[in-house]
Parts: sequence; C-alpha cells; structure tokens
Amino acid sequence: EIVMTQSPASLSVSPGERATLSCRVSQSISSNLAWYQQKPGQAPRLLIYGASIRATGIPARFSGSGSGTEFTLTISSLQSEDVAVYYCHQYNNWHTFGQGTKVEIK
Amino acid sequence: QLQLQESGPGLVKPSETLSLICTVSGGSISSSSYFWGWIRQPPGKGLEWIGSIYSSGTTYYKPSLKSRVTISVDMSKKQISLKLSSVTAADTAVYYCARLVDKRLDYWGQGNLVTVSS
Repeated sequence: EIVMTQSPASLSVSPGERATLSCRVSQSISSNLAWYQQKPGQAPRLLIYGASIRATGIPARFSGSGSGTEFTLTISSLQSEDVAVYYCHQYNNWHTFGQGTKVEIK
Repeated sequence: QLQLQESGPGLVKPSETLSLICTVSGGSISSSSYFWGWIRQPPGKGLEWIGSIYSSGTTYYKPSLKSRVTISVDMSKKQISLKLSSVTAADTAVYYCARLVDKRLDYWGQGNLVTVSS
C-alpha cells in the first residue's frame, strides 16, 4: 500500500501570511494527487486535483504543486475561514489518504 | 446541484452487519463518467478508503476489508449501499459516500456516524 506522509501535523499562521503544507508519497504517483479541506463537523471538500488544478469555485489563494513523490499545498494569504484540516489523497494506485495537517490562526 | 445523503442506523452491535444507504439527488447516478465510493473516518482520526462501484456494478474494495464489505447500486432508486459484516469497535466511524470523477472525490455526503457497541 502506498503510504502518504503529511507535514507538519499542525501549523499556526498569522492572517494574511502564507501557509505551506507538504505531502510525501512512498512511491511515484505522477500527478495523481488531490487535496481536500475539512472543517469541523463537515465533510471534506475537494480543493485541488491533478496535483495543481483548482476545483470549481476554489479561491485562487489555494495552489498545489509537485509530482512524483513530493507535493505541496500553498495558501498564499491565510483567511480565518481557512482554519481546517487538510488531507492529501493519492489515486494513482488504489486510494490512500495522508493523516492530515491542521491549520490554525496565530 | 448534486447532493448525496447517507442514512442508516447510528448504533450497531458487535459481530452484526452495518448497513448504510447513500441517496443521490440533483444529478445522474448512471453516467458512465462516474464511480461512487465509500470512505470512513474514525472519531478524531483521518480518512480511510473502503471501496467503490461503477454504474455497471463493478466493485473495488480495500483489500484489508474485502472479506467483509459489499457495495451495490440501485439505479432506479438512485442509491448506493454499503454493507460491512462482523463489525467491531474498530469500525466505529463517520461513513461518507462520495462521487468519483477521474478518481478524485468531487461531491461528498454529510456523513453518517456509526457506533459499534453492545
């Protein structure tokens, strides 16, 4: 099974500052990676797919990059509504999720 | 706007079978472009893939759950069902159904918490 490792486990960022989240994969998955945002008590929401393509309706401050085994989700200017847990998901070989990164406001 | 809604018992006894239904509204369930999946999330923990089904009925299950899982689809009712047998406390989780487009999960239900306890 492909193992996904997200770092850091939690991140505290001041409003308007940049947040950078990492997802490392145990074997190459090309660009078959998605990112989801999950707010407390809610279902996950698709943010990014194909490693760098924003889903419909997702603000431009969210961007994804990477390929192979190293991926990054960047929130360019953190807003209060971005407080959530963020998960990466590989769909190249079956489906596995990272353990999540919790983003908080400093 | 596509909507998915999970329904089923919130409490299941150990060794029994967990049964959930996902009802799809506002869109087609039979399109050849989509798969439908089940994902679960134990309280306070991360996401775990359970399995998926194509409109043709072809299913794919997580290997470690395969012996206990059955996913099926009823096109006429626009429903996808999940059955998980011989449950234990480790199966306590919020269960989500979701639509897959090119393997990414673009629409999710709100989730159904299932607790396994006697």
